[in-house]
Amino acid sequence: GAGVSQSPSNKVTEKGKDVELRCDPISGHTALYWYRQSLGQGLEFLIYFQGNSAPDKSGLPSDRFSAERTGGSVSTLTIQRTQQEDSAVYLCASRSRNTNTEAFFGQGTRLTVV
Amino acid sequence: DAKTTQPPSMDCAEGRAANLPCNHSTISGNEYVYWYRQIHSQGPQYIIHGLKNNETNEMASLIITEDRKSSTLILPHATLRDTAVYYCIAPIYNQGGKLIFGQGTELSVKP
Repeated sequence: GAGVSQSPSNKVTEKGKDVELRCDPISGHTALYWYRQSLGQGLEFLIYFQGNSAPDKSGLPSDRFSAERTGGSVSTLTIQRTQQEDSAVYLCASRSRNTNTEAFFGQGTRLTVV
Repeated sequence: DAKTTQPPSMDCAEGRAANLPCNHSTISGNEYVYWYRQIHSQGPQYIIHGLKNNETNEMASLIITEDRKSSTLILPHATLRDTAVYYCIAPIYNQGGKLIFGQGTELSVKP
C-alpha cells in the first residue's frame, strides 16, 4: 500500500457498545501514532508505538481506551462502553525509525456514538 | 508541548501568494522545521521541511531566517483548495518521539 490505511472510514455505534478501529501503517514504518480530533478542535494525542518498546499511553483519556500493535505492523484502537463524548475523527500516523523524517497520516475513522 | 507560534487565521485572495509565518525561537541546531496542512475532514498532509536552507517543492516554498528563529511557508498561487489549517512544527518530535502539533493557522483563500 502506498499510504496509511484506516478502516472503517465511518462508524456509527450505540452508546455502551465497544468499537475497534484499525490502522495499517506504511510498510516498514516502525513508529505508529493514534490521535483524535473532535469537531472544530485540534489534534489530541492518544498513544504512540515505536518498535518493540513499551508504548507511550499517556494520552489515552480513560481505561475504556486501549490499543495494540501486532507484529509491529497493524494497530487496533479499542474503545469499550462508548460514550457520546467519544464521537470524533480518529487519526493514525506512521513514520520510519529515523526521527528526521516526516510522519504520514491516514484519512481517519469518523466515529459517531448515538 | 508545541514550541511554535503562528497567527490563528489569515485570508488570501485566490491567485495571490499566501505567506504563512511561524516563530520557533527555541529551535535547536539540529531540529528541522516541518509544515503540514489539514483540509477539512481529512488527515494532516505533509507539505515540506527544512533545516537551514530554503526549500521548494511542487506544493510550496519554505524560507528559513538565517538565525533559524522563524520561517515562512509560501504558496505561490493560492487556490480555493488551499483553504486549510497549516501547522508549523519545530521540532516535529519531542524527546520521547511523540509527534507534536500546535494550533496552526487557518488559511482562508477567497475568490
